[in-house]
Amino acid sequence: EVQLLESGGGLVQPGGSLRLSCTASGFTFSSSAMTWVRQAPGEGLEWVSTITNSGTGTYYVDSVKGRFTISRDNSKNTLYLQMNSLSAEDTAVYYCAKYVVGGNSPRYFEYWGQGTLVTVSS
Amino acid sequence: QLTQSPSSLSASVGDSVTITCRASQGISSYLAWYQQKPGKAPKLLIYAASTLQSGVPSRFSGSGSGTDFSLTISSLQPEDFATYYCQQLNSSPLTFGQGTRLEIK
Repeated sequence: EVQLLESGGGLVQPGGSLRLSCTASGFTFSSSAMTWVRQAPGEGLEWVSTITNSGTGTYYVDSVKGRFTISRDNSKNTLYLQMNSLSAEDTAVYYCAKYVVGGNSPRYFEYWGQGTLVTVSS
Repeated sequence: QLTQSPSSLSASVGDSVTITCRASQGISSYLAWYQQKPGKAPKLLIYAASTLQSGVPSRFSGSGSGTDFSLTISSLQPEDFATYYCQQLNSSPLTFGQGTRLEIK
């Protein structure tokens, strides 16, 4: 059974930092691209960042470029999102997801974690 | 950019409903549909515009390519009342539609 378990969310002051983790099991983590998606309270889904299976390729939505860093440790089956210079606009539930992608093959976010809430407030 | 419509929809158990998703430029068939229930993570329903994810009931179907796509749910069941999102995976940023909230009439 595939499981994705996020952790690291919480309350942080504006300008602060937080690191989210996503621990994966039930599939070959090192072969899978991974992604972060967030959802502000009462709002829709927003893709945040993607990392290739090897970690050599990373991609970000413009609003987090230069502030967020996605990374992974394939030896620990863990995905990370380092978030710096946080603002109220970053308040959201953050989901990690397994991203199926490759060449001209179908692409989709196959499995999702349960999410972790990040609240940026003074 | 993806434009999803309607933003909300009321229907009864047993009805058939269709949600549409329009891309501002061609995205081939790189479109997925997700279902989200309150307080839960999204769940993949359909990928490649029309391929049903394993375990998803056959009353869900998707169609389209290029810029115009649709999700149809036939014979609505009580567990289908949720919010639905389309997503394009053709190019970065991997945008989602605004969502369609499906409510019980």
